[in-house]
Amino acid sequence: DAGVIQSPRHEVTEMGQEVTLRCKPISGHNSLFWYRQTMMRGLELLIYFNNNVPIDDSGMPEDRFSAKMPNASFSTLKIQPSEPRDSAVYFCASNVGSNEKLFFGSGTQLSVL
Amino acid sequence: GESVGLHLPTLSVQEGDNSIINCAYSNSASDYFIWYKQESGKGPQFIIDIRSNMDKRQGQRVTVLLNKTVKHLSLQIAATQPGDSAVYFCAENRRSGGGADGLTFGKGTHLIIQP
Repeated sequence: DAGVIQSPRHEVTEMGQEVTLRCKPISGHNSLFWYRQTMMRGLELLIYFNNNVPIDDSGMPEDRFSAKMPNASFSTLKIQPSEPRDSAVYFCASNVGSNEKLFFGSGTQLSVL
Repeated sequence: GESVGLHLPTLSVQEGDNSIINCAYSNSASDYFIWYKQESGKGPQFIIDIRSNMDKRQGQRVTVLLNKTVKHLSLQIAATQPGDSAVYFCAENRRSGGGADGLTFGKGTHLIIQP
């Protein structure tokens, strides 16, 4: 069981650059969640998908953030243009249906200089 | 202990002792609660969960207690080991009917196991 796989593990970029974070959910899971974790705000839900369809993106901070799920085994979170305040750890998680137990990936540590 | 929305507290215990991590939740209508463990550089890992129709649930070396009267949740870890050192998060589901999108996470408690 490979678990939720995220890439890259670390990303350092300069302000204004485009950043793309990637996630492969657990096979068979049909819900996928993107979270952002900071010391100040803890874990915040950005967006989640069910059966590859975005259900709620109200947590996405602003239009600079976008997420896609082109198929059941892949999702991306894109920030364009990136800003220093976007620096955080971004987690992807998946689960099945209305199950409340989430399985998290190892996260992407993003630093925007 | 932690409360959803407050600063990250730290709990230090001796190896082999029992530890209790507390969590105060805000919504009396929340019907599902879950504890996660997050080790440095890793994502949160599920530990144990409990529904509001229960007061207590036990796992391997862990017990979760729920006091709905005072909206308090605790995680007890028996005979702590060095590998228990991590940040522990509680989360409540404020949305009835399930769905992980309703989970609200606390900021966590940092548990340090002293040798």
